[in-house]
Formats: sequence, C-alpha cells, structure tokens
Amino acid sequence: GAGVSQSPSNKVTEKGKDVELRCDPISGHTALYWYRQRLGQGLEFLIYFQGNSAPDKSGLPSDRFSAERTGESVSTLTIQRTQQEDSAVYLCASSPRSASEAFFGQGTRLTVV
Amino acid sequence: ILNVEQSPQSLHVQEGDSTNFTCSFPSSNFYALHWYRWETAKSPEALFVMTLNGDEKKKGRISATLNTKEGYSYLYIKGSQPEDSATYLCAFASGSARQLTFGSGTQLTVLP
Repeated sequence: GAGVSQSPSNKVTEKGKDVELRCDPISGHTALYWYRQRLGQGLEFLIYFQGNSAPDKSGLPSDRFSAERTGESVSTLTIQRTQQEDSAVYLCASSPRSASEAFFGQGTRLTVV
Repeated sequence: ILNVEQSPQSLHVQEGDSTNFTCSFPSSNFYALHWYRWETAKSPEALFVMTLNGDEKKKGRISATLNTKEGYSYLYIKGSQPEDSATYLCAFASGSARQLTFGSGTQLTVLP
C-alpha cells in the first residue's frame, strides 16, 4: 500500500489481557514512531525506531509495554496485562529518515473494559 | 523530557479572519520543527518541516516562521475558511534525540 497501515482499527479487550498492535510502515522508511492519544490529551511519544540503531524507548509508560521492529519492516506494539488507563488511540508513523516528515497511520482505538 | 508548548489551546474565529498560533520549544540542541494539521476522524498530515533559524515557509494561505535561538515558531492562517478547522500540532526534534515530541495542539474552529 501507499500509506502507513495499522491493524486492527478497533480493539476491545478485557482488563488483564495482552494485546498486540501492528504497524506496516511505508516501504523504505527507516524511521518509525509509536504515539498514543488518551481522551482529551495530546500525542504522547512511546517509542522510536531508526534503522538498525537501538530504539528510543524513553516514552514507554511501564514495563507492560514493549515494541519490536525487524529491520525496516513491520512493527508490533505489545501491551501486557492491560489496564483501563491503557485505553487510547495508538498511532504509528514512519518517515524516510530521522526527523523528516512523518506519515501517520489511521490508528488503533484500544478500549479496555 | 522535552517541553513543547502550544498556545492558545483553542481558538474560534470568523470566516475571513486571519489568525496565528505559537509553538515554543527548547532553544538548545535544535534539529527540526514540524507543523501538522489534524482533522477530526483523520490522521495528522504534515504542513511544514523547518530546520534553519529564520526559515519562513508558505503553503497557500498558511505560513510558518522559525526562531531557533529563542525557541519559538508561529503558524499563520490568512483569510480563514471553515475547512481550516482542525487541530494544529507542532513537533520538535533535538539533535541528540531525533524522535518527534509533539505539543498538545491548538484546536481551531472557523465559524461560517
């Protein structure tokens, strides 16, 4: 596809369950970002991948959150033992190189009940 | 933690008015400053990527300026139209941490 693709678009899960969110970046984009937007708040940085460098995990809110990316391909964001405060829209973005224009996916709306 | 502030938080203007918003960011270790437009039910889309002090960029009725020494950028919209209604986000990248840190945005509503 031409753009950044995220799946699923919506996810409802029970508190305590694990969830996995997927992001397919634009082909050839070396940089990939995960953000989340909780209700009424701004975009909160979670994690940043740049090529084969060690990811910047400084925004992950707890050790229940982890993310992987193999090379310059798909990334998955995993949330273990979900809590209600994890409910948010999770946005993925990719860019051709670090700090260049970011292209966003449509997001995954996660609801923890 | 990088502090990126935007003001005002929200703004209502009449169609045809011109308006501007502010983004402030750390003045040290600057690498890039981005502006994005985020419409309801859509994804954020880039307006400008600015890297040089004194940069001025323009796209149609929207323009932006950059002052890296004092750590601020302005976004201007001339002759606002209802379709300009959106949240406008700025994002800062430092020289050491190239990840984009976003401000909380300015929500613009243009009344017909």
